[in-house]
Amino acid sequence: QVQLVQSGAEVKKPGASVKVSCKASGYTFTSYDINWVRQATGQGLEWMGWMNPNSGNTGYAQKFQGRVTMTRNTSISTAYMELSSLRSEDTAVYYCARYSSGWYTFDYWGQGTLVTVSS
Amino acid sequence: QSVLTQPPSASGTPGQRVTISCSGSSSNIGSNYVYWYQQLPGTAPKLLIYRNNQRPSGVPDRFSGSKSGTSASLAISGLRSEDEADYYCAAWDDSLSGHWVFGGGTKLTVL
Repeated sequence: QVQLVQSGAEVKKPGASVKVSCKASGYTFTSYDINWVRQATGQGLEWMGWMNPNSGNTGYAQKFQGRVTMTRNTSISTAYMELSSLRSEDTAVYYCARYSSGWYTFDYWGQGTLVTVSS
Repeated sequence: QSVLTQPPSASGTPGQRVTISCSGSSSNIGSNYVYWYQQLPGTAPKLLIYRNNQRPSGVPDRFSGSKSGTSASLAISGLRSEDEADYYCAAWDDSLSGHWVFGGGTKLTVL
């Protein structure tokens, strides 16, 4: 069955960077785009961007341009999201989600990774 | 401030029918599909409705979606206690080189 398993919680200081991983299984990793969505505590969902695991092409939300980098390692079916220059407002749960080209949306999600930014 | 507007809360008693609205604009709901996600406490969102009114396999037919112009709705009939969750609408937005937008979420309480 399709699974996206993310790395564990992180605590970072303001100004630092964080890299979250998302390991895919149960399907051909390079056949589906991976998107990243975050959710601050008690808040709604916020889309950050997408990555095509086959080509490595990416597209980022304007808000995160220059601070976010999405990459992948196809040999281990893993996608990564790195966010730099962290500030307290970046404290949130970060989700990876598989994009279904048939349904035109996110059909499977990772379990989420809590990133806490605190001095 | 979310791009798509949802009521922050909704409620109903078991067996009732409730609807949750989602309002957008011509660049998102008005020109693209609407999606609905259910998020149970402490878990990741789960796809409930895709392409305005389609249900993935495994989603009960008590859940239905509709869209008209720049607004959409999620209806839940025969309300059950396990439906208590947060519900989010989503759509692709054609502005700013394209990006996904979400509603702020509606907390559904089953009384």
